[in-house]
Order: sequence, then C-alpha cells, then structure tokens
Amino acid sequence: EDKVVQSPLSLVVHEGDTVTLNCSYEVTNFRSLLWYKQEKKAPTFLFMLTSSGIEKKSGRLSSILDKKELFSILNITATQTGDSAVYLCAVGNINTGTASKLTFGTGTRLQVTL
Amino acid sequence: DGGITQSPKYLFRKEGQNVTLSCEQNLNHDAMYWYRQDPGQGLRLIYYSQIVNDFQKGDIAEGYSVSREKKESFPLTVTSAQKNPTAFYLCASKRTGSTYGYTFGSGTRLTVV
Repeated sequence: EDKVVQSPLSLVVHEGDTVTLNCSYEVTNFRSLLWYKQEKKAPTFLFMLTSSGIEKKSGRLSSILDKKELFSILNITATQTGDSAVYLCAVGNINTGTASKLTFGTGTRLQVTL
Repeated sequence: DGGITQSPKYLFRKEGQNVTLSCEQNLNHDAMYWYRQDPGQGLRLIYYSQIVNDFQKGDIAEGYSVSREKKESFPLTVTSAQKNPTAFYLCASKRTGSTYGYTFGSGTRLTVV
C-alpha cells in the first residue's frame, strides 16, 4: 500500500521565520511528488518533482526531492501571514492500464503569526 | 474560464438518505477523481475514472457510488451504507498522460444531521 508521511503535523512561526516541511513516501512505481497549498477549500498546485536533487523554486518557496532516501522538503523563507495554510504532499504512481492516481499525506498545518 | 465546478458547497443530509454531489469540468480532461478529506487525515481516494463509462474503486469506496456517462461529469452518490459520511469532498481532474497534478474543485462539505 502506498504511503505518504508528512511532518510536522502543525507548526506555528513568527512572520519572517524560515520553515521546512517534510514529506517521506513509500510508493510502488513512483512517478512524481507534488506539493499543494490548501487555504480554505481547493488545494492549489505548488510544485511537481520528478528528478532527484533538482530544486524547484517559486519566489520564497522552494522544494527538492531525494529519490534515494524517498524524501522531499518544502522550504518557505521570510514567511508571511498569507503563507498560513495546510501544505499537502502527494505522490503519483504509474499504474499500467489505469489512470495514475495521487496518494496524499495528512498535511502540515502552518500558522504564521505577527 | 476553464475549471471544475462542485455543487452544492454545503449539504445537509438526514441519516438513511442517499445524496448526490455534483462535479462538472470544462477542461476537456479525461481522468476525474473523488477524494474525501477528514480533519487530520489528509485526502483519501474514493473513486476515479479514466474514460467515459469506466471507473475504479479507490481506497475507501464502500458506501459510495459514481457514474461517468459524460466526459464532463462525474457525480458521487453517498449512500445510506456509508457509516460516517460527514466530511469535505473534493473532486479533481487531470488530462490522461499529463505529468502534471490535478485541478481541484472547491469542494462540498456534507453534514449528516
């Protein structure tokens, strides 16, 4: 059974801090690892990682994948109150003959305070 | 604008009643998915469909049913057999063969009263 574990479950930081969110996984036929941000309702896409060791960056957010250790991190620098959200990690597999599907972790709830 | 529309946003159901959640997309995506989200448990896959008239059970399909009569539509029925239906339900879609992730709808919050 595919498994995705995120840590920490929740985190409270002060504005301006840097945070690192963790995601480890066990999945057969790994295809990709994705990060989403969920503020109230629909998760919004942040990054997709398929190759090990290549950092994806978007503004203050960055992410990297280690396929050997089955691990990914999401970094947020100079946090702002608008970064407060649940961050979801998901892993996609390749299932021959069926639609590829994502297995999600439980998410990390980040709260950024003034 | 293309996207996924879920309706209604909030739904109340009495115990023992079936209820159907709507999911419509105009993205011309082939694959569609239903996830359930409970506090502290992330998203769990209920059903998914790759093409019209075909669908597969996910990890927690018991007590749910779906249909895929049109490419654009993938309704989810929560039956009375689902013992704990109160949850947030998310629909998503993806173009088959795309390596990118899903596009999500805004969700339906179902409460059993």
